[in-house]
Amino acid sequence: AIRLTQSPPSFSSSIGDRVTITCRASQGISGFLAWYQQKPGKAPNLLIYAASTLQSGVPSRFSGSGSGTDYTLTITYLQSEDFATYYCQQSYSYPWTFGQGTKVEI
Amino acid sequence: QVLLVESGRGVVQPGRSLRLSCAASGFPFSTYTMHWVRQAPGKGLEWVAVISYDGSNKHYADSLKGRFTISRDTSKNTLFLQMNNLRPDDTAVYYCAREEGGSLDYWGQGTLVTVSS
Repeated sequence: AIRLTQSPPSFSSSIGDRVTITCRASQGISGFLAWYQQKPGKAPNLLIYAASTLQSGVPSRFSGSGSGTDYTLTITYLQSEDFATYYCQQSYSYPWTFGQGTKVEI
Repeated sequence: QVLLVESGRGVVQPGRSLRLSCAASGFPFSTYTMHWVRQAPGKGLEWVAVISYDGSNKHYADSLKGRFTISRDTSKNTLFLQMNNLRPDDTAVYYCAREEGGSLDYWGQGTLVTVSS
């Protein structure tokens, strides 16, 4: 199975900050990567698919990039509602896998 | 609107079985690939299984070792997860989700399964 390693596992940030989360795959996944946001007690919410395509209804301060094995999720101007846990997920091959998550805290 | 509603939550003893259901509405269920994803308390997301739109292809997480079976009933717009020989480490919130282009664009609210004696 393809392993996804997110970094950092958690960090503290402030409203208005630019935030970057990294997801590294154990082998090339050709852009078959999605990003999700999850808040406590809620189901995950799709933010980005195909590495860089913004899901409909997601604010434009979220963006994704990357290729091969290395991908990033960037939040350009952190808002209060963005404090949550973020996961990457690969669909290059079965079994699908998720990263371990990155918790963004105040 | 797209709606996915899981059911079948409960407490079950180790070694027993449980079947989860996911009722889908608001979209043409028969044309979408569907997934199950779980999340143990305080842990991250773990992909469980997938079934193709017509039920002809299924894949599972390696860790399940054949204990779980995914299925669907298109006539009832319902997705299922049959879980056998349950273990305490199967305790989790189980989500059903719809696939769109390699990602999961709609999720249910989740159903909690607790495996404990």
